[in-house]
Amino acid sequence: SQKIEQNSEALNIQEGKTATLTCNYTNYSPAYLQWYRQDPGRGPVFLLLIRENEKEKRKERLKVTFDTTLKQSLFHITASQPADSATYLCALTGGFKTIFGAGTRLFVKA
Amino acid sequence: NAGVTQTPKFRVLKTGQSMTLLCAQDMNHEYMYWYRQDPGMGLRLIHYSVGEGTTAKGEVPDGYNVSRLKKQNFLLGLESAAPSQTSVYFCAAGRPSVITGELFFGEGSRLTVL
Repeated sequence: SQKIEQNSEALNIQEGKTATLTCNYTNYSPAYLQWYRQDPGRGPVFLLLIRENEKEKRKERLKVTFDTTLKQSLFHITASQPADSATYLCALTGGFKTIFGAGTRLFVKA
Repeated sequence: NAGVTQTPKFRVLKTGQSMTLLCAQDMNHEYMYWYRQDPGMGLRLIHYSVGEGTTAKGEVPDGYNVSRLKKQNFLLGLESAAPSQTSVYFCAAGRPSVITGELFFGEGSRLTVL
C-alpha cells in the first residue's frame, strides 16, 4: 500500500539555524509533491509544490528538493524564527487523490 | 472571501446517533475532499468528489457517506456513530494540477463520540 513517512519525533532547533525535514514514500508515483504548514487547532496551509521532473524549488526562506529515484523530499527553512514553529506535512498527488504524511513538529527556540 | 467553511466546529455524539458535517466553498473548485486527522496518523482521505453529482471512496470510507448535490457543498454523513469515529475532520477544495495543485482547507470539525 502507499505510504508516506515523516519523522515522528519533534525537531528542536535554535533561532537562525536551518531546519531540515524529511519525507519518504513507497509504492507511489506521484505527479507532484507538496508541503503544508499546520498550526494547533487550524487547518493545513499550502506552502510549496514541486513537480516530479523538478529537482529543487525555492520560495523566500523555504527550499524543497524532490528525488524520485530515492523517493524522498527534503524541506528546508533557512534563518528559522520562532514563528516557524508548527507541524509540517508532506503530501503526494497522483490522479485525483492527495495523500498526506503524519507530519513533523518543529520547535524553533529564541 | 471565506474560502472553505465547515459546520459545525464541535459536536459530541452518543454511539449510534447520526449527524452530517457540511463543507461549503466559495472558490468554484471542482474537487472537494473529506479527511480525518488522528494523533500520529496524519490526514487520511475518507471520500472525495471530482465534480457536482460525483463521489468516490478514499483510504478509510467505511462508516461514512457523502453527497455533492451542489458544486459548492460537500456533505459528510455518519449514519450510526462509533467511538472509533472520534476525530478531527477536515474538508478541502482544490484542482489537482502540476501548476497550481494546492488544496484549501477548512478549519476543521472536532467530533467526539461517547
